[in-house]
Amino acid sequence: GAVVSQHPSWVICKSGTSVKIECRSLDFQATTMFWYRQFPKQSLMLMATSNEGSKATYEQGVEKDKFLINHASLTLSTLTVTSAHPEDSSFYICSAQTVGYGYTFGSGTRLTVV
Amino acid sequence: QKEVEQDPGPLSVPEGAIVSLNCTYSNSAFQYFMWYRQYSRKGPELLMYTYSSGNKEDGRFTAQVDKSSKYISLFIRDSQPSDSATYLCAMSANTGGFKTIFGAGTRLFVKA
Repeated sequence: GAVVSQHPSWVICKSGTSVKIECRSLDFQATTMFWYRQFPKQSLMLMATSNEGSKATYEQGVEKDKFLINHASLTLSTLTVTSAHPEDSSFYICSAQTVGYGYTFGSGTRLTVV
Repeated sequence: QKEVEQDPGPLSVPEGAIVSLNCTYSNSAFQYFMWYRQYSRKGPELLMYTYSSGNKEDGRFTAQVDKSSKYISLFIRDSQPSDSATYLCAMSANTGGFKTIFGAGTRLFVKA
């Protein structure tokens, strides 16, 4: 089946630094990828929709200058958290639409900013 | 009122029990209904996908959609300890770019 590979699975960084998270679609082309963040015991919150070759569409309240999304190819989308602060600590998950209207999710990245 | 309501639990059942997980929603435009299973510190995986009303069965899992009541359910028969996870319902409409709305997830524990 379709697989979305997400790296790293966890990262700890110092406040003020930037972190890049990669999502790759394996064995299929993902023209659209979605980026979510999830706080403990809370639901997935859509941050942005990433389209190959064009600018990402951000949800209301999400700072596009802070969460940089690049979707340079049909198999790779990246999320860069710039100037990270402790409040950015969260679980970040990407997904790509696959069968029907279902989504295949990456394994997630746990970001801890200290 | 949230668009999708889901009891976060936790729900604890003995092995072999029938588990019923539910979500209610307010947007009558939703047509696509999904259930995802998420293990701790992992991304969600699609379990069931249903279009419009009705039932769908896959092995030990049965998904039900009642659009008149705006209520969806996931039943797990003969539950196993390996079923212990968080179950998220999700739904989307044929409008607004098919944006998918997720429930908060119900944490399920199946005790051996």
